[in-house]
Amino acid sequence: DQQVKQNSPSLSVQEGRISILNCDYTNSMFDYFLWYKKYPAEGPTFLISISSIKDKNEDGRFTVFLNKSAKHLSLHIVPSQPGDSAVYFCAASGANFGNEKLTFGTGTRLTIIP
Amino acid sequence: DAMVIQNPRYQVTQFGKPVTLSCSQTLNHNVMYWYQQKSSQAPKLLFHYYDKDFNNEADTPDNFQSRRPNTSFCFLDIRSPGLGDAAMYLCATSTGRSNEQFFGPGTRLTVL
Repeated sequence: DQQVKQNSPSLSVQEGRISILNCDYTNSMFDYFLWYKKYPAEGPTFLISISSIKDKNEDGRFTVFLNKSAKHLSLHIVPSQPGDSAVYFCAASGANFGNEKLTFGTGTRLTIIP
Repeated sequence: DAMVIQNPRYQVTQFGKPVTLSCSQTLNHNVMYWYQQKSSQAPKLLFHYYDKDFNNEADTPDNFQSRRPNTSFCFLDIRSPGLGDAAMYLCATSTGRSNEQFFGPGTRLTVL
């Protein structure tokens, strides 16, 4: 039973345009959401997070939007750069008190076309 | 640089031959995690330590064991690897005060 779903295994976007990666979840107890980026032969690295009390969090070119009623979040990258080509994982957890289990999606491979 | 280190990066073992994967961290984090990730699948939590307290996921096979002799090191022991245990094994740490986890580069295990 996949509680966190990333339905697009891959996405290709032209350099300079907006990349939108989507994530859906089923567990209404999830309270905190994270995006990780993974390059080949490296471990996932934390990118950005959002708490369920917010609907948007922005960090430079990266913005995460949360629609709690739809149980949906998205990651926007503007403008997209070649170095953004990687696999992006969405993860969800209980409240951000630490020591919470992360439940991951299966990832979306983003390719930025120069 | 503070980091999470996993050794070896690639491990080949034979069916049924015990294998140990290691993880060390210089972040001085309280919590250490082990994940299994198979191709095109989500990383799956096997177990974690909060300091010396061990927490096993309910669906982690008994074939998988872990040791944390001190804050810096954590080991994953696979007692009798099967072909289905071939995967990437990821170690992660966290402070215990935030849900953000810091990952090592992973060890890719091949079972022949």
